[in-house]
Amino acid sequence: NAGVTQTPKFRVLKTGQSMTLLCAQDMNHEYMYWYRQDPGMGLRLIHYSVGEGTTAKGEVPDGYNVSRLKKQNFLLGLESAAPSQTSVYFCASSYSGARRYSEQFFGPGTRLTVL
Amino acid sequence: EDQVTQSPEALRLQEGESSSLNCSYTVSGLRGLFWYRQDPGKGPEFLFTLYSAGEEKEKERLKATLTKKESFLHITAPKPEDSATYLCAVQGGATNKLIFGTGTLLAVQP
Repeated sequence: NAGVTQTPKFRVLKTGQSMTLLCAQDMNHEYMYWYRQDPGMGLRLIHYSVGEGTTAKGEVPDGYNVSRLKKQNFLLGLESAAPSQTSVYFCASSYSGARRYSEQFFGPGTRLTVL
Repeated sequence: EDQVTQSPEALRLQEGESSSLNCSYTVSGLRGLFWYRQDPGKGPEFLFTLYSAGEEKEKERLKATLTKKESFLHITAPKPEDSATYLCAVQGGATNKLIFGTGTLLAVQP
């Protein structure tokens, strides 16, 4: 099993450009998440999904959109990139949100720089 | 407001020198406390979940414990390969979201 994979691994954008980050998981997990990690800030939740076709806002959703058209994929879009979105982005998945099945498994990350 | 605070921010140990990392938390109705290890340039790797005060879990040189206000990650006789950032997260209330601390950067010198 590959677990959670993310593409691309690195990307440099100019302000105002758009892009989509792809996350895929092969563990048949229902829940998927997008986080950003910044120095001194810890991991912060951007958006999440509790199942195919559903999405919800996390702690820092502004400037991002997501889609979950297939159970195994979760896409994160930036419509008009800003320098404040320079960060490392992690995707994660979990079997459920129930008490004993909610540990999240993370992908390797995408390092995004917005100039 | 749910909150997680980890200390120290950084810790340097000699190989074989045991120590503990702290994770203090405030959450309305703890559903789970999670420990992760993160190596430079990689995603967090799941280590443990603790659900109730008094619970303990072990894996190799690591042992995690939980009280009503904090969790400790004890590292016994660490080796250089234990060097990493250790993250703590809590899940509380009726949410499936995790609230992460900022981590402890552990360096083990040979």
